Amino acid sequence: NAGVTQTPKFRVLKTGQSMTLLCAQDMNHEYMYWYRQDPGMGLRLIHYSVGEGTTAKGEVPDGYNVSRLKKQNFLLGLESAAPSQTSVYFCASQSSWGRITDTQYFGPGTRLTVL
Amino acid sequence: GEDVEQSLFLSVREGDSSVINCTYTDSSSTYLYWYKQEPGAGLQLLTYIFSNMDMKQDQRLTVLLNKKDKHLSLRIADTQTGDSAIYFCAESMGKGMNRDDKIIFGKGTRLHILP
Repeated sequence: NAGVTQTPKFRVLKTGQSMTLLCAQDMNHEYMYWYRQDPGMGLRLIHYSVGEGTTAKGEVPDGYNVSRLKKQNFLLGLESAAPSQTSVYFCASQSSWGRITDTQYFGPGTRLTVL
Repeated sequence: GEDVEQSLFLSVREGDSSVINCTYTDSSSTYLYWYKQEPGAGLQLLTYIFSNMDMKQDQRLTVLLNKKDKHLSLRIADTQTGDSAIYFCAESMGKGMNRDDKIIFGKGTRLHILP
């Protein structure tokens, strides 16, 4: 199993450009999450999904859109990148909630710089 | 290699104090975090501590850091039913400014509150 993978690992954008970050998991997990991590602030939830075809807003959703057309993939889109979106983006997945072994599995992160 | 370890499960009676423990391996860690995950939600940053601090208190939460033993703990005073969640310990080396900066998560401790 590859676990949770993210593509790309690094990217530099100019203000106003668009891009899509891909998160893929091969563990058949229902829940998937996108977070951003900024210096000294820890993770903040952008959007999440509780199953294929569902999405929901997190703490900081503005400027981002997401889609979960397939259970294994969770896409994060930036339609018009801004310097404030310079960050490290983490994807995570989780099988369910309620069992002792449930936990979030994190991807390696995508470092995005917007000039 | 870098690793963050926590016990998977903790059971505490309502009104008692909860102490969740974490050990980490990277002595160069700069930031140490505690996150909370409630059912069906993403991670919520509870608190963090800089590696040059021994203790940080915030209302019912107390974080203790023993840098020599690489041991971090989270104490929740007067534990309530709303504290039932999974608590994640995490460490990061830098402020997220460098290419190799990353955040390493433990697998989470599930806190169960007994009536």
